[in-house]
Amino acid sequence: QVQLQESGPGLVKPSETLSLTCAVSGYSISSGYYWGWIRQPPGKGLEWIGSIYHSGSTYYNPSLKSRVTISVDTSKNQFSLKLSSVTAADTAVYYCARDANGSGSYYPLWGQGTLVTVSS
Amino acid sequence: SYVLTQPPSVSVAPGKTARITCGGNNIGSKSVHWYQQKPGQAPVLVIYYDSDRPSGIPERFSGSNSGNTATLTISRVEAGDEADYYCQVWDSSSDHPVVFGGGTKLTVL
Repeated sequence: QVQLQESGPGLVKPSETLSLTCAVSGYSISSGYYWGWIRQPPGKGLEWIGSIYHSGSTYYNPSLKSRVTISVDTSKNQFSLKLSSVTAADTAVYYCARDANGSGSYYPLWGQGTLVTVSS
Repeated sequence: SYVLTQPPSVSVAPGKTARITCGGNNIGSKSVHWYQQKPGQAPVLVIYYDSDRPSGIPERFSGSNSGNTATLTISRVEAGDEADYYCQVWDSSSDHPVVFGGGTKLTVL
């Protein structure tokens, strides 16, 4: 059974870089699928951040593109999110997810999410 | 980028039918997916490709998509269906291919 687990600091200072990792168990990340990050500010809706194909190709939400990097570490079977120059508006629950069929079209498998607060 | 519009809230009595809409320009030409999210939990896929149900999702959940509106229908609504529901599309021609609607809070009266 495939499982995803986010990890990283729960508190990040303004202007610094948010770094999260999604550990994947039960499936080899290098074998296929798109792996994505989605966030949800407190009390608000879902926002797609970006996705990475198992081969390493990426695509990002244009509104965040200048600050986002998503990468894959096949040796550790995990993928990561870096979001630079954070502000309070980046405070959110961050989810990692896997798509259904390698097309990137929808995401049936999610991690439990991790809350990241941006504050000094 | 593509915009999806959902009503902020829908209310329904137990046992009745709830319909949650998702509006978008010519959305009928795209595939729509629906997620259910209960408080403190990650979203759960309830409908994919307009009307397909993942295993484990009750038959009471159904979907349709035509013209400028996609609809998630929940029949014989139960108290446990109370949640936020999000539609999502994949726009392969866009530089913003994964788009979520703003979400609809379903309240069971």
